[in-house]
Amino acid sequence: DAGVIQSPRHEVTEMGQEVTLRCKPISGHDYLFWYRQTMMRGLELLIYFNNNVPIDDSGMPEDRFSAKMPNASFSTLKIQPSEPRDSAVYFCASSLRLAGRYEQYFGPGTRLTVT
Amino acid sequence: QKEVEQDPGPLSVPEGAIVSLNCTYSNSAFQYFMWYRQYSRKGPELLMYTYSSGNKEDGRFTAQVDKSSKYISLFIRDSQPSDSATYLCAMSAGGGNKLTFGTGTQLKVEL
Repeated sequence: DAGVIQSPRHEVTEMGQEVTLRCKPISGHDYLFWYRQTMMRGLELLIYFNNNVPIDDSGMPEDRFSAKMPNASFSTLKIQPSEPRDSAVYFCASSLRLAGRYEQYFGPGTRLTVT
Repeated sequence: QKEVEQDPGPLSVPEGAIVSLNCTYSNSAFQYFMWYRQYSRKGPELLMYTYSSGNKEDGRFTAQVDKSSKYISLFIRDSQPSDSATYLCAMSAGGGNKLTFGTGTQLKVEL
């Protein structure tokens, strides 16, 4: 299996621009998560989906952030307009319940720099 | 105060040493406890998974959970340079799927 795939791996953009991050989860996994990692705040859950439906978006920092999952094999996280404080590494993860437990598998991340 | 506290390090040890990594937490609803390892510029990968209190051993790694003290530990025996990474603790209440992470401890094992 190819694992969780994220694109782009690096993104540099100017303040005010729209940014779209993409994720392909592991085939067969029914949960998908978006995280943000910074030195100061660590790894924070932004939103997660179950069977393509958003379950908990309480971690989304503000209305500039939105996430969609149009089908089981694709999700996007969009920031519009972007700000310098959005600079971070964004991870996508997917999981499946097996034997009563969940194991989340992370993608390689997208390193976002907003200047 | 954060729900999960973890010393960021860095922690530097000689090869072969026993390493102890720790997290404390405040949410008594947490029942599932995990340790993730993250190499530089990579995504976290699951290392250990424990439910409720007790010990779990996997090769050179031992995870301990003390729910009465709200304290979890990861021990690495015979540490190797390849263990150099950031170690993140993660916890969850019922269901085990919505995780709260510590900020991670950076470990360096030197030759």
